[in-house]
Amino acid sequence: AQTVTQSQPEMSVQEAETVTLSCTYDTSESDYYLFWYKQPPSRQMILVIRQEAYKQQNATENRFSVNFQKAAKSFSLKISDSQLGDAAMYFCAYRTGYSTLTFGKGTMLLVSP
Amino acid sequence: NAGVTQTPKFQVLKTGQSMTLQCAQDMNHEYMSWYRQDPGMGLRLIHYSVGAGITDQGEVPNGYNVSRSTTEDFPLRLLSAAPSQTSVYFCASRKAGDFYEQYFGPGTRLTVT
Repeated sequence: AQTVTQSQPEMSVQEAETVTLSCTYDTSESDYYLFWYKQPPSRQMILVIRQEAYKQQNATENRFSVNFQKAAKSFSLKISDSQLGDAAMYFCAYRTGYSTLTFGKGTMLLVSP
Repeated sequence: NAGVTQTPKFQVLKTGQSMTLQCAQDMNHEYMSWYRQDPGMGLRLIHYSVGAGITDQGEVPNGYNVSRSTTEDFPLRLLSAAPSQTSVYFCASRKAGDFYEQYFGPGTRLTVT
């Protein structure tokens, strides 16, 4: 079974600084998809960024970027120029083409002024 | 489109009571799933469906039943509620062949006393 591990239960960052959230996963598949979701206090699940395993280029979405290391099965999220609105729980998730999502346990990101 | 809707938003049950959490989507999505979210545990899959009449168990199915008689609806039934089922429940859906977008409902917070 696939597993997703987020080793940082909580991270802190100051406004305008950069923070990196870690994620590793275990799979025997060669074709799969990786995601980072943000969950603010409203509970809504918001897709932040996604990465296809067959793409070597790391995905970027504005201030959010990933460092995808397929051989190491690592998928970290970098948030640049952190903002107060970035404070939330962040979940790393994995899926193959036809499976459901498997989530990590989450990292709570605290942002201080 | 209303997207994925869940009712109720909050519910308090006594041990042994039964209830149904409702989930509906108006996007004609084939895939629907139920997750539960507990502190420190991330989101865990309860049951999922790949189309009307087809359901299967996820990681934590015990104590829950599902059925899928229509494409739009995927209710989750608690037959005899237990305090261990106190959680936040999310319904999600996606279109078969869409590997990127997963639509989540707003969640139901359930407390069993």
